[in-house]
Amino acid sequence: KAGVTQTPRYLIKTRGQQVTLSCSPISGHRSVSWYQQTPGQGLQFLFEYFSETQRNKGNFPGRFSGRQFSNSRSEMNVSTLELGDSALYLCASSWETGYFSYEQYFGPGTRLTVT
Amino acid sequence: DQQVKQNSPSLSVQEGRISILNCDYTNSMFDYFLWYKKYPAEGPTFLISISSIKDKNEDGRFTVFLNKSAKHLSLHIVPSQPGDSAVYFCAAIRVSSNTGKLIFGQGTTLQVKP
Repeated sequence: KAGVTQTPRYLIKTRGQQVTLSCSPISGHRSVSWYQQTPGQGLQFLFEYFSETQRNKGNFPGRFSGRQFSNSRSEMNVSTLELGDSALYLCASSWETGYFSYEQYFGPGTRLTVT
Repeated sequence: DQQVKQNSPSLSVQEGRISILNCDYTNSMFDYFLWYKKYPAEGPTFLISISSIKDKNEDGRFTVFLNKSAKHLSLHIVPSQPGDSAVYFCAAIRVSSNTGKLIFGQGTTLQVKP
């Protein structure tokens, strides 16, 4: 079974631009979560989607948004990029059948650099 | 407010010896804990987990211990192997929240020397 895939793997953007990152979960997984990893802050939860609905959101500004499609694929968008948005963005998926599965499987991440 | 803390940024052990990675948490509502391993340029990989109703869970060379009264958990790797060299993250979750919101520690870099 294929793992979680994220595209693109690397991205360089300029301050003020916007960016869209994509995540394809493991087949059959319906929950997708996004995390930001920076050297100083570790992994910080951004948001989680389940059945196309945002189920939880972390403490990030409204510039960070996301969505999930009917096939469980997810995208996250960051508008008006700032230098501090430079980070590794990780997507994780998990399997649920009514009872939440806590074990999340991560993709390789998208390394975003804002200049 | 760092609810999950890994106070040791790095740890170095000799091959064959025991590696002990520690994690502390402050939120008593957490009731499920996980350990992840991360190699450079890869996403974290799930290692082992433990529910708050248990105090120990073992999987091969990996054992996680939970001390609820101290709000402390540890990961023991025995014997340590050079391939175990990676960054280890502990994570916690509130089951009652019914969401995928994992709270991670900052990670501990483990180096296993041959």
